[in-house]
Amino acid sequence: NAGVMQNPRHLVRRRGQEARLRCSPMKGHSHVYWYRQLPEEGLKFMVYLQKENIIDESGMPKERFSAEFPKEGPSILRIQQVVRGDSAAYFCASSQTQRGNTEAFFGQGTRLTVV
Amino acid sequence: AQTVTQSQPEMSVQEAETVTLSCTYDTSENNYYLFWYKQPPSRQMILVIRQEAYKQQNATENRFSVNFQKAAKSFSLKISDSQLGDTAMYFCAFMKQHNAGNMLTFGGGTRLMVKP
Repeated sequence: NAGVMQNPRHLVRRRGQEARLRCSPMKGHSHVYWYRQLPEEGLKFMVYLQKENIIDESGMPKERFSAEFPKEGPSILRIQQVVRGDSAAYFCASSQTQRGNTEAFFGQGTRLTVV
Repeated sequence: AQTVTQSQPEMSVQEAETVTLSCTYDTSENNYYLFWYKQPPSRQMILVIRQEAYKQQNATENRFSVNFQKAAKSFSLKISDSQLGDTAMYFCAFMKQHNAGNMLTFGGGTRLMVKP
């Protein structure tokens, strides 16, 4: 059973371009969480999705950022018109249920560098 | 809103010695979970140990144990018999106990260096 798969591992974008980060949850997991880790900081929650639904996007910047988790395929975190401040590691986690007694498993992250 | 504070940005310990990493948190919730995660240079987030707030007994996992003081809102991690492979960033994290998702609030991390 493969773990949470994120790709690409590294992504370089020029200012103003779009970044698309993909996350395939563990098999049987229908709950996905995205986090952002700025250099030398802890992870910050961005958005929580279930299949085809955004459940909680309280940590998502209001502009340029969007996320989806379609019925088929991976979850996508999309950043439009990237700026230098978007440079960070973006982590995805998945869980089998939304209950706290189930573990959330993390992917290895995507490191986004904006040049 | 919850906050998690790790007051030690960096720590070091000699191999085979014991080290304790500190974590405090602030919440108005009565039921919640606390976690310690390890992040080695590979960036993979690895769950080290978890504690349910309603349990008085401190959680242990092999060489890792916690000192959970609910009234003081303190959750420290003790690593016994430190090994070189324990070198990593360690993050303390909080999660509400509810059925509305497993969102974690993380502290800023402690960088642990185990010296030979």
